[in-house]
Amino acid sequence: ETGVTQTPRHLVMGMTNKKSLKCEQHLGHNAMYWYKQSAKKPLELMFVYNFKEQTENNSVPSRFSPECPNSSHLFLHLHTLQPEDSALYLCASSVHRGQETQYFGPGTRLLVL
Amino acid sequence: DQQVKQNSPSLSVQEGRISILNCDYTNSMFDYFLWYKKYPAEGPTFLISISSIKDKNEDGRFTVFLNKSAKHLSLHIVPSQPGDSAVYFCAASGLGGTSYGKLTFGQGTILTVHP
Repeated sequence: ETGVTQTPRHLVMGMTNKKSLKCEQHLGHNAMYWYKQSAKKPLELMFVYNFKEQTENNSVPSRFSPECPNSSHLFLHLHTLQPEDSALYLCASSVHRGQETQYFGPGTRLLVL
Repeated sequence: DQQVKQNSPSLSVQEGRISILNCDYTNSMFDYFLWYKKYPAEGPTFLISISSIKDKNEDGRFTVFLNKSAKHLSLHIVPSQPGDSAVYFCAASGLGGTSYGKLTFGQGTILTVHP
């Protein structure tokens, strides 16, 4: 397995469910990112982790909870989401924060009913 | 307030001709610019980047031009191939300030290359 992988690729959940998105990078990078892409909108940065420490929370609602147990893994825990949270969630990594070339995973397509 | 704008939602080009994708930005703190390509059901793939100390960077069929005074950059693909058909995103970041280590993306341009 190479690059950045994300699971699941597709997820349908109800507003009362709790689910988690997983990202894994095999590039030896130290920074990891969560982005959200809603329909007809640019990618929006949600969270940044650098050497496992959260360095950025871009005013994301608390129903999204990130976790970075090590530099290779990043999770996004979801609970009590709203239908407007339906979007493509992309994970990315870079050598460290400040190295601007970020490498993206394939994304998780989330639908909240 | 959208700091990176791609004003053309789509572009259609004949195979073998040049594709020119444009991007404008407003934040004068941006000093590093990237182009990504995205196929359906895949994540964005890094294509080419340029630092503000340069005005041109080439990599094979792809060339990025930067005009700092106009806050404008463009991606040229020559010759265009049907496999280039995808969504192209422009992104920008700064080496300092609030834009440090953060990519700000444009809305994307859908490129279609016809055989």
